[in-house]
This record gives sequence, structure tokens and C-alpha cells, in this order.
Amino acid sequence: DAGITQSPRYKITETGRQVTLMCHQTWSHSYMFWYRQDLGHGLRLIYYSAAADITDKGEVPDGYVVSRSKTENFPLTLESATRSQTSVYFCASISGRVTNSPLHFGNGTRLTVT
Amino acid sequence: RKEVEQDPGPFNVPEGATVAFNCTYSNSASQSFFWYRQDCRKEPKLLMSVYSSGNEDGRFTAQLNRASQYISLLIRDSKLSDSATYLCVVNGIYNQGGKLIFGQGTELSVKP
Repeated sequence: DAGITQSPRYKITETGRQVTLMCHQTWSHSYMFWYRQDLGHGLRLIYYSAAADITDKGEVPDGYVVSRSKTENFPLTLESATRSQTSVYFCASISGRVTNSPLHFGNGTRLTVT
Repeated sequence: RKEVEQDPGPFNVPEGATVAFNCTYSNSASQSFFWYRQDCRKEPKLLMSVYSSGNEDGRFTAQLNRASQYISLLIRDSKLSDSATYLCVVNGIYNQGGKLIFGQGTELSVKP
């Protein structure tokens, strides 16, 4: 099915471990985004990508790494997970011009760092 | 001041009521505005875009006031199924990238 999919849906990991969250979209959208959502903070942008091999920091990038070697994939890596990174992570993409196009979200990854 | 601010609520209303949410934004250069709906921390889903002249979709009406830098969402004849969190989203362009800035969301609970 076409769309944007995230994996895994749920993940529990230990402090200090490296974790990679996957995001795959079948629309060939240029722009892709990673957000985290925490109670009291709403959705906050971690990183975004305008195209393959072009990435940029968002509001809360520390502790995260992204890559975009192919248009359809935008993985997010926590290099050394911390408890403060326990959150719900949403990947999203935009179909057209960023100035007037809505986001399409994946169904989220719920990450718990113990 | 936050870039996008919403009243977090919760708004508790009876079925059939009319309820309105406001959202203010700080970047006067913002070009696009949206309302999203989110259920129980699932992925947000687009409810409607907000156009300069205002727009309506069934029981939902969105308006934009550029002079005062706020957008609004009006829900008429509330249904139980309208219970959700409503997110205001404003486009804030920085450099070459697009950063859609989310408000914290307004929680709506429609009661029988």
C-alpha cells in the first residue's frame, strides 16, 4: 500500500544503546520530517530533509542522527539512548510545496528507554 | 513567547454544542495554516487547511486573521466522535527548509 510507514511500532531499549527508527514513504515526497511528541510539549521537530542527501536540524536535534541516502527512506538514529528520549516519534512527509502543503504522518514509534 | 500558542483546554461540551478554538502565531511571514486532529496520541491527521478568506467543511469552519495573527476553528453541532485533540499548525519558513510549527493542541471532550 502506498503511504508512509514507520518501524518498529514499539521499542524498549536500555540507556546507552544505539537505536534506529525507520521511516519509509512510497510517494516520492521530497520533504521528510521527524517529530517527537511529549506531554506538555506537543510535537517538536527533530530533523528534516528537503531531498536525498540534504538534511537539517530542527528544534531538538541533540542526541539524534539522520541520513537520507534514498528519497523514500529517512531513518532516525539515537546514538546513545537516554531516558529523556522516551517519547512517541512521528515521521512525516510533504507532497508538494512546503509553503502550502499539509503533512502526512506515519503511525508513530513508541520508544521507551529504561 | 511560543511561536504557536493554543489554549490547551480541556474543553468539555455537551453534544450539539458549538465550540471555538483559537490559535495565535508569532511569525507574521507565515504563509500556510492548518488544523489537525489527533486521537489518543495516534498520528495527527489533517482536518482542514485554513485559507485567507475563511473556509468551511461541513460542521467545521476555519478562519484566518492576519492582522491579529490568529486562526480559529469553529465546530458546530458537536458529536461524541469530535472528541480529540486539535492541533494548530503554522508554516514558519527558515532558510531553505520548511518548518511546520505545531501548537500544543486543544483537547475537546464532547459529552452525551
